[in-house]
Amino acid sequence: QKEVEQNSGPLSVPEGAIASLNCTYSDRGSQSFFWYRQYSGKSPELIMSIYSNGDKEDGRFTAQLNKASQYVSLLIRDSQPSDSATYLCAVNPRNTDKLIFGTGTRLQVFP
Amino acid sequence: NAGVMQNPRHLVRRRGQEARLRCSPMKGHSHVYWYRQLPEEGLKFMVYLQKENIIDESGMPKERFSAEFPKEGPSILRIQQVVRGDSAAYFCASSPQHGGYTDTQYFGPGTRLTVL
Repeated sequence: QKEVEQNSGPLSVPEGAIASLNCTYSDRGSQSFFWYRQYSGKSPELIMSIYSNGDKEDGRFTAQLNKASQYVSLLIRDSQPSDSATYLCAVNPRNTDKLIFGTGTRLQVFP
Repeated sequence: NAGVMQNPRHLVRRRGQEARLRCSPMKGHSHVYWYRQLPEEGLKFMVYLQKENIIDESGMPKERFSAEFPKEGPSILRIQQVVRGDSAAYFCASSPQHGGYTDTQYFGPGTRLTVL
C-alpha cells in the first residue's frame, strides 16, 4: 500500500463546474496535510494546508479532512481553464518533518 | 520579498562528473528540504537540514549523494559521479522555525539536471 494515494486522472471538468480531488493516506498518526498545484515544468505551489477534521475554505478552494477515514480532499469551485494542472496531496507522517507526496491528479478544465 | 532561490535552473553533466545544486531559503526560514522528481513520477523526499545539521537523510541514496547547510551561505546538494538515472528535477523547499505541526514548506523553482 502506498503511503499517499491519488487517482492519477486526468480529471476533466467543464469550466464553471466543481472539481473534486481525493487523497488517502496510510499513517493514521499523520498530523499535517497539504495540497500543492504544479503546472507542467514548474515547481509545486501551495494551495491549502489543513490540520483538523472538517472543512477549510479559501476563496474557490475547500480542503476537507477526515482522519478517521484517512482521507483528505480538495474541492475547486467555479473551475477555470487556468486551474488545469497537476494537484499534489502531501502528508506529514508522525514524528517526522518530511512530506510524503502522492503522485498527483491531473486536472483538465475545458471551456 | 524573495522566495526560495535555487541555482542553476538547468544543469547538464556528462556521466561521471559532479553536480552541485544550490538552495537559498526564504528570508527568516531556517529549515531546508530537498526533494527529487523523476520524469512522470511524484516528489520524493531526500534530506532535511537545519543550519550546520542534517536532521533527516532517510531519503538520500547511500552513495554519491551528500548535502550540507553551512552556517553561512546556501544549502548544497552534491551528486558525485553522476549517472543517467540521476536526471531529474531537484526541488528545494524551506520552512520557518518549527512550531508544533509541520510548518508549511515553500518550494523553489527547481534545478533540472540532465546527465548525458
